[in-house]
Amino acid sequence: DIVMTQSPDSLAVSLGERATINCRSSHSVLYSSTNKNYLAWYQQKPGQPPKLLIFWASTRESGVPDRFSGSGSETDFTLTISSLQAEDVAVYYCQQYYSTPITFGQGTRLEVK
Amino acid sequence: QVQFVQSGAEVKKPGASVRVSCKASGYTFTTYAIHWVRQAPGQRLEWVGWISPDNGNTRYSENFQGRISFTRDTSASEVFLELTSLRSEDTAVYYCARIRDTSGFKFLGFWGQGTLVTVSS
Repeated sequence: DIVMTQSPDSLAVSLGERATINCRSSHSVLYSSTNKNYLAWYQQKPGQPPKLLIFWASTRESGVPDRFSGSGSETDFTLTISSLQAEDVAVYYCQQYYSTPITFGQGTRLEVK
Repeated sequence: QVQFVQSGAEVKKPGASVRVSCKASGYTFTTYAIHWVRQAPGQRLEWVGWISPDNGNTRYSENFQGRISFTRDTSASEVFLELTSLRSEDTAVYYCARIRDTSGFKFLGFWGQGTLVTVSS
């Protein structure tokens, strides 16, 4: 199984400041024939299911604000929130869909400083 | 709009079985596989498996060692998860979810509200 490891486990950022969450996979999730990274990001607020934010490592889901962006390739990825808003307080998860079983990172809790 | 409504919370004793339902609406039920993902308290999301509502094919995580089964009722647009020989470690919120689009790639764009299963003596 591909192990997904996020850092940090928790993060406190001031409103309007940048938040950066990292995700590392134990195996490359770049599929050479398509040149796509099989990596998604989710946001989960308390009492709610996860919400898909980004897929293919950098493609924003429809309706997701453009302050959210994803980057990276192969084994190292980043989710960036360019200007933190109060409604962004949540736990964020990365997920690989390169191979079965799909696996998730342990989550990063984002709070307002 | 795509929607999944799951059955209510369950409390079970160790060794018992539990059945969780997930009713889909807003799309053609047989077009997309339904995945199950669980989340134990304070733990990461864990993929449980999927079922194809079209033909009933299933794929299970090896972590459940024959204790898990998925079924479907196409007439009701509903899928079911059954987990047997429950242990305290099975205490979790169980989510049903669907992939985002017909590409078939397993990023999950639609989720049920979750069903809390508590295993306690």
